[in-house]
Amino acid sequence: GIQVEQSPPDLILQEGANSTLRCNFSDSVNNLQWFHQNPWGQLINLFYIPSGTKQNGRLSATTVATERYSLLYISSSQTTDSGVYFCAPALGNTPLVFGKGTRLSVIA
Amino acid sequence: NAGVTQTPKFQVLKTGQSMTLQCAQDMNHNSMYWYRQDPGMGLRLIYYSASEGTTDKGEVPNGYNVSRLNKREFSLRLESAAPSQTSVYFCASRNNEKLFFGSGTQLSVL
Repeated sequence: GIQVEQSPPDLILQEGANSTLRCNFSDSVNNLQWFHQNPWGQLINLFYIPSGTKQNGRLSATTVATERYSLLYISSSQTTDSGVYFCAPALGNTPLVFGKGTRLSVIA
Repeated sequence: NAGVTQTPKFQVLKTGQSMTLQCAQDMNHNSMYWYRQDPGMGLRLIYYSASEGTTDKGEVPNGYNVSRLNKREFSLRLESAAPSQTSVYFCASRNNEKLFFGSGTQLSVL
Protein backbone atom coordinates (compact mmCIF):
# COMPACT_ATOMS: atom_id res chain seq x y z
CA GLY A 1 0.00 0.00 0.00
CA ILE A 2 0.87 3.66 -0.11
CA GLN A 3 3.53 4.79 2.36
CA VAL A 4 3.16 8.33 3.73
CA GLU A 5 5.88 10.32 5.44
CA GLN A 6 5.24 13.71 7.01
CA SER A 7 7.84 16.20 8.16
CA PRO A 8 8.71 17.67 10.51
CA PRO A 9 7.12 15.50 13.22
CA ASP A 10 7.01 18.43 15.63
CA LEU A 11 7.11 22.17 15.10
CA ILE A 12 7.01 25.09 17.53
CA LEU A 13 6.29 28.55 16.15
CA GLN A 14 5.99 32.02 17.55
CA GLU A 15 2.64 33.62 16.76
CA GLY A 16 2.86 35.45 13.44
CA ALA A 17 5.50 33.16 11.92
CA ASN A 18 5.08 31.20 8.68
CA SER A 19 5.64 27.47 8.21
CA THR A 20 5.69 24.73 5.60
CA LEU A 21 4.65 21.17 6.31
CA ARG A 22 5.65 18.43 3.90
CA CYS A 23 4.03 15.14 2.90
CA ASN A 24 5.85 12.56 0.77
CA PHE A 25 4.07 9.51 -0.58
CA SER A 26 5.32 6.39 -2.26
CA ASP A 27 2.86 5.68 -5.08
CA SER A 28 0.76 7.39 -7.70
CA VAL A 29 -2.31 9.02 -6.22
CA ASN A 30 -5.26 10.98 -7.55
CA ASN A 31 -6.69 12.01 -4.20
CA LEU A 32 -4.88 13.84 -1.42
CA GLN A 33 -6.37 15.60 1.57
CA TRP A 34 -5.03 17.62 4.48
CA PHE A 35 -6.67 17.54 7.90
CA HIS A 36 -6.26 19.50 11.11
CA GLN A 37 -6.88 17.81 14.45
CA ASN A 38 -7.47 20.47 17.07
CA PRO A 39 -6.47 20.07 20.73
CA TRP A 40 -9.97 18.74 21.50
CA GLY A 41 -9.52 15.89 19.04
CA GLN A 42 -11.82 17.10 16.28
CA LEU A 43 -10.64 16.30 12.73
CA ILE A 44 -11.35 19.01 10.17
CA ASN A 45 -10.87 18.63 6.44
CA LEU A 46 -8.69 21.52 5.24
CA PHE A 47 -8.08 20.71 1.60
CA TYR A 48 -8.91 18.23 -1.12
CA ILE A 49 -5.82 18.78 -3.30
CA PRO A 50 -4.97 15.92 -5.74
CA SER A 51 -2.88 18.34 -7.80
CA GLY A 52 -2.14 22.02 -8.15
CA THR A 53 -2.53 24.74 -5.54
CA LYS A 54 -5.44 25.90 -3.41
CA GLN A 55 -5.73 28.68 -0.88
CA ASN A 56 -8.11 29.18 2.01
CA GLY A 57 -7.37 32.28 4.04
CA ARG A 58 -3.96 31.98 5.67
CA LEU A 59 -3.59 28.36 4.58
CA SER A 60 -2.60 27.09 1.19
CA ALA A 61 -1.68 23.68 -0.18
CA THR A 62 0.23 22.47 -3.20
CA THR A 63 0.44 18.92 -4.54
CA VAL A 64 2.90 17.79 -7.20
CA ALA A 65 1.60 14.30 -7.84
CA THR A 66 4.25 13.45 -10.44
CA GLU A 67 6.96 14.08 -7.83
CA ARG A 68 4.92 12.45 -5.04
CA TYR A 69 4.75 15.24 -2.52
CA SER A 70 2.40 17.81 -1.09
CA LEU A 71 3.03 20.95 0.95
CA LEU A 72 0.84 22.80 3.42
CA TYR A 73 1.69 26.46 4.03
CA ILE A 74 0.55 28.30 7.12
CA SER A 75 1.12 32.04 7.09
CA SER A 76 0.89 34.46 10.02
CA SER A 77 0.28 31.59 12.41
CA GLN A 78 -2.15 31.97 15.30
CA THR A 79 -2.51 30.02 18.52
CA THR A 80 -5.70 28.50 17.11
CA ASP A 81 -3.58 26.80 14.42
CA SER A 82 -2.11 24.52 17.08
CA GLY A 83 -2.83 20.82 16.78
CA VAL A 84 -1.83 17.97 14.52
CA TYR A 85 -1.86 18.18 10.72
CA PHE A 86 -2.40 15.01 8.75
CA CYS A 87 -1.81 14.30 5.10
CA ALA A 88 -3.83 11.46 3.52
CA PRO A 89 -3.43 10.31 -0.08
CA ALA A 90 -5.33 7.64 -1.99
CA LEU A 91 -5.71 6.20 -5.46
CA GLY A 92 -9.20 6.20 -6.90
CA ASN A 93 -11.89 5.24 -4.42
CA THR A 94 -9.55 3.25 -2.18
CA PRO A 95 -9.45 4.41 1.45
CA LEU A 96 -7.22 7.33 2.39
CA VAL A 97 -3.92 6.38 4.05
CA PHE A 98 -2.87 8.70 6.84
CA GLY A 99 0.61 9.85 7.73
CA LYS A 100 1.64 10.09 11.37
CA GLY A 101 1.13 13.83 11.33
CA THR A 102 2.98 17.02 12.19
CA ARG A 103 2.30 18.36 15.69
CA LEU A 104 2.27 22.17 15.60
CA SER A 105 2.41 24.36 18.67
CA VAL A 106 1.96 28.10 18.18
CA ILE A 107 2.96 30.16 21.19
CA ALA A 108 1.90 33.74 21.88
CA ASN B 1 -27.15 19.15 8.67
CA ALA B 2 -25.37 17.13 11.39
CA GLY B 3 -22.72 15.49 9.14
CA VAL B 4 -21.29 12.35 10.78
CA THR B 5 -22.68 11.42 14.19
CA GLN B 6 -21.01 8.88 16.46
CA THR B 7 -22.21 7.42 19.74
CA PRO B 8 -21.17 7.05 22.47
CA LYS B 9 -18.49 9.72 23.04
CA PHE B 10 -16.91 7.84 25.95
CA GLN B 11 -17.02 4.21 27.05
CA VAL B 12 -15.25 2.09 29.64
CA LEU B 13 -15.38 -1.69 29.26
CA LYS B 14 -14.00 -4.61 31.18
CA THR B 15 -11.94 -7.20 29.31
CA GLY B 16 -14.27 -9.65 27.57
CA GLN B 17 -17.28 -7.35 27.39
CA SER B 18 -18.88 -6.54 24.06
CA MET B 19 -20.19 -3.31 22.65
CA THR B 20 -21.26 -1.62 19.42
CA LEU B 21 -20.19 1.82 18.28
CA GLN B 22 -22.83 3.53 16.20
CA CYS B 23 -22.26 5.88 13.28
CA ALA B 24 -24.68 7.69 11.00
CA GLN B 25 -24.19 10.25 8.23
CA ASP B 26 -26.75 12.50 6.60
CA MET B 27 -24.71 13.57 3.54
CA ASN B 28 -25.87 10.73 1.27
CA HIS B 29 -22.29 9.43 0.98
CA ASN B 30 -21.68 5.99 -0.46
CA SER B 31 -18.47 5.22 1.44
CA MET B 32 -18.06 4.92 5.20
CA TYR B 33 -15.04 4.09 7.34
CA TRP B 34 -13.90 3.18 10.83
CA TYR B 35 -10.45 4.34 11.96
CA ARG B 36 -8.66 4.02 15.25
CA GLN B 37 -6.12 6.52 16.57
CA ASP B 38 -3.38 5.61 18.98
CA PRO B 39 -0.60 7.91 20.25
CA GLY B 40 2.15 8.28 17.66
CA MET B 41 0.38 5.98 15.16
CA GLY B 42 -1.75 8.36 13.14
CA LEU B 43 -5.10 6.98 12.01
CA ARG B 44 -5.33 3.34 11.01
CA LEU B 45 -8.20 1.88 9.03
CA ILE B 46 -10.17 -0.91 10.71
CA TYR B 47 -12.97 -1.59 8.20
CA TYR B 48 -14.69 0.27 5.44
CA SER B 49 -17.80 0.06 3.30
CA ALA B 50 -17.46 1.36 -0.25
CA SER B 51 -21.21 1.18 -0.79
CA GLU B 52 -24.36 -0.09 0.88
CA GLY B 53 -24.18 -3.87 1.15
CA THR B 54 -20.38 -4.18 1.02
CA THR B 55 -17.71 -4.20 3.71
CA ASP B 56 -13.95 -4.75 3.53
CA LYS B 57 -11.10 -5.17 5.97
CA GLY B 58 -8.63 -2.41 6.50
CA GLU B 59 -5.18 -2.42 8.07
CA VAL B 60 -6.19 -3.54 11.60
CA PRO B 61 -9.46 -5.57 11.45
CA ASN B 62 -8.72 -8.27 14.04
CA GLY B 63 -11.13 -8.25 16.97
CA TYR B 64 -13.76 -6.16 15.18
CA ASN B 65 -16.85 -6.70 13.06
CA VAL B 66 -18.91 -4.18 11.12
CA SER B 67 -22.40 -3.85 9.72
CA ARG B 68 -23.52 -1.47 6.99
CA LEU B 69 -27.13 -1.33 8.09
CA ASN B 70 -28.24 1.00 5.28
CA LYS B 71 -26.74 3.87 3.35
CA ARG B 72 -26.73 6.12 6.44
CA GLU B 73 -25.47 3.80 9.16
CA PHE B 74 -22.24 1.87 9.71
CA SER B 75 -21.65 0.20 13.07
CA LEU B 76 -18.49 -1.26 14.63
CA ARG B 77 -18.72 -4.15 17.07
CA LEU B 78 -16.20 -5.42 19.59
CA GLU B 79 -17.27 -8.96 20.48
CA SER B 80 -14.81 -9.54 23.32
CA ALA B 81 -12.94 -6.37 24.23
CA ALA B 82 -9.22 -6.51 25.01
CA PRO B 83 -6.95 -3.87 26.58
CA SER B 84 -5.19 -3.52 23.20
CA GLN B 85 -8.44 -2.06 21.85
CA THR B 86 -8.16 0.95 24.13
CA SER B 87 -8.09 3.78 21.60
CA VAL B 88 -10.00 6.66 20.07
CA TYR B 89 -12.33 5.51 17.32
CA PHE B 90 -13.42 7.70 14.44
CA CYS B 91 -16.15 7.08 11.93
CA ALA B 92 -15.96 8.88 8.59
CA SER B 93 -17.85 9.17 5.34
CA ARG B 94 -16.81 10.32 1.91
CA ASN B 95 -18.19 11.44 -1.39
CA ASN B 96 -15.93 11.11 -4.44
CA GLU B 97 -13.65 13.72 -2.97
CA LYS B 98 -13.65 14.84 0.66
CA LEU B 99 -13.62 12.71 3.80
CA PHE B 100 -15.62 13.92 6.80
CA PHE B 101 -15.14 12.67 10.36
CA GLY B 102 -17.37 12.19 13.35
CA SER B 103 -16.30 13.57 16.72
CA GLY B 104 -14.81 10.29 17.95
CA THR B 105 -15.36 7.72 20.69
CA GLN B 106 -12.82 7.40 23.49
CA LEU B 107 -12.82 3.73 24.54
CA SER B 108 -10.96 2.30 27.52
CA VAL B 109 -10.76 -1.44 28.11
CA LEU B 110 -9.67 -2.39 31.62
